[in-house]
Amino acid sequence: SQQGEEDPQALSIQEGENATMNCSYKTSINNLQWYRQNSGRGLVHLILIRSNEREKHSGRLRVTLDTSKKSSSLLITASRAADTASYFCATDAAGSNYKLTFGKGTLLTVNP
Amino acid sequence: GAVVSQHPSWVICKSGTSVKIECRSLDFQATTMFWYRQFPKQSLMLMATSNEGSKATYEQGVEKDKFLINHASLTLSTLTVTSAHPEDSSFYICSARGVPGTAIEKLFFGSGTQLSVL
Repeated sequence: SQQGEEDPQALSIQEGENATMNCSYKTSINNLQWYRQNSGRGLVHLILIRSNEREKHSGRLRVTLDTSKKSSSLLITASRAADTASYFCATDAAGSNYKLTFGKGTLLTVNP
Repeated sequence: GAVVSQHPSWVICKSGTSVKIECRSLDFQATTMFWYRQFPKQSLMLMATSNEGSKATYEQGVEKDKFLINHASLTLSTLTVTSAHPEDSSFYICSARGVPGTAIEKLFFGSGTQLSVL
């Protein structure tokens, strides 16, 4: 079964607005990571949150993790047109030895 | 920060030919490398785990004779798509993990290779 299911699949907002993306997973994890991917390009690591952490901030990014619900959210505040990209969550399952399982991703479009 | 170099970034080949993709860790030793494949507008699917000096471990449904992986050194892993067919056209991405217990024990991703098979 697919780990790391994001929703929404696509999100379109205006510049300056906040964008929230959610991710659900099925098994126990060591950590959960969020990545960004511009079309046809590689992945950019955004943030990692460990299973014993509940919230983490990095610049305009805020990630929460609820292990009881097996879910995470990524909030991008004050969005910019340059934030337009696909965002993936990836889980490092307990015992997987860094074998990440990626979700389907959310395509974020920030309109100027 | 640690850098993973992947090349070529794109390749076009004829059906039936083989294509080799390289993944190099430029400034750290990578004991483990992972190969992913991504179809347009879809997620990354893990193909195989490559450990230096040993045989790769393939995910279910991935043909090991089709996708040959070699991890001959701590800084280089290669993926060879043998007898490529149009359905092999995809975006391939590698990632490398630093030596366990070191400050760089995390994953770093290459920039990906777009393979188009005609």
